[in-house]
Amino acid sequence: KQEVTQIPAALSVPEGENLVLNCSFTDSAIYNLQWFRQDPGKGLTSLLLIQSSQREQTSGRLNASLDKSSGRSTLYIAASQPGDSATYLCAVIRSGNTGKLIFGQGTTLQVKP
Amino acid sequence: GAGVSQSPSNKVTEKGKDVELRCDPISGHTALYWYRQSLGQGLEFLIYFQGNSAPDKSGLPSDRFSAERTGGSVSTLTIQRTQQEDSAVYLCASRPSGRNFGEQFFGPGTRLTVL
Repeated sequence: KQEVTQIPAALSVPEGENLVLNCSFTDSAIYNLQWFRQDPGKGLTSLLLIQSSQREQTSGRLNASLDKSSGRSTLYIAASQPGDSATYLCAVIRSGNTGKLIFGQGTTLQVKP
Repeated sequence: GAGVSQSPSNKVTEKGKDVELRCDPISGHTALYWYRQSLGQGLEFLIYFQGNSAPDKSGLPSDRFSAERTGGSVSTLTIQRTQQEDSAVYLCASRPSGRNFGEQFFGPGTRLTVL
């Protein structure tokens, strides 16, 4: 059974700091991995999608890496801003299934001005 | 263009009543998913529709839950005889056809409260 774990559960940093969010998964047979952002009371906003054949994806100040063999992904946020405060979720799609996402519990980030 | 929309945004109901939640996917997206987000369980898959194929219902928690997708577009999730443990945010997502297991786009969700 695929399990996804995110560490830490919560993180508070001062503005401007670079930070790393971690995601691990137990079954390396994944099709892709997707990082989302969720603001309080809102739906999910897709940030980055990494296919299993890729090592990383970048969008602006965000960089996500994927190491399938070790079952890990990291989301790197450069020069954090108060507007980055949200819950960040990673989710994987297991190879061979219907494309349903299996989510971690999320990391709640607070960036203090 | 328009994203995934869901209605209602909030629903409060009494235990034992039936509820219907609606999802309008992005136009042209043939794959549609329902997920549930609750405090104790996080985000869980419920059901998946792909075109005219039989849906994957493996995530539905009980036979009180059902969903349909009419005309390959709008989907309705129905919960019969609601229980307090059904209280959660119900999220719908869609993705384009021809991009197997590509990026999923989520709606804002329906917050269901069962009193």
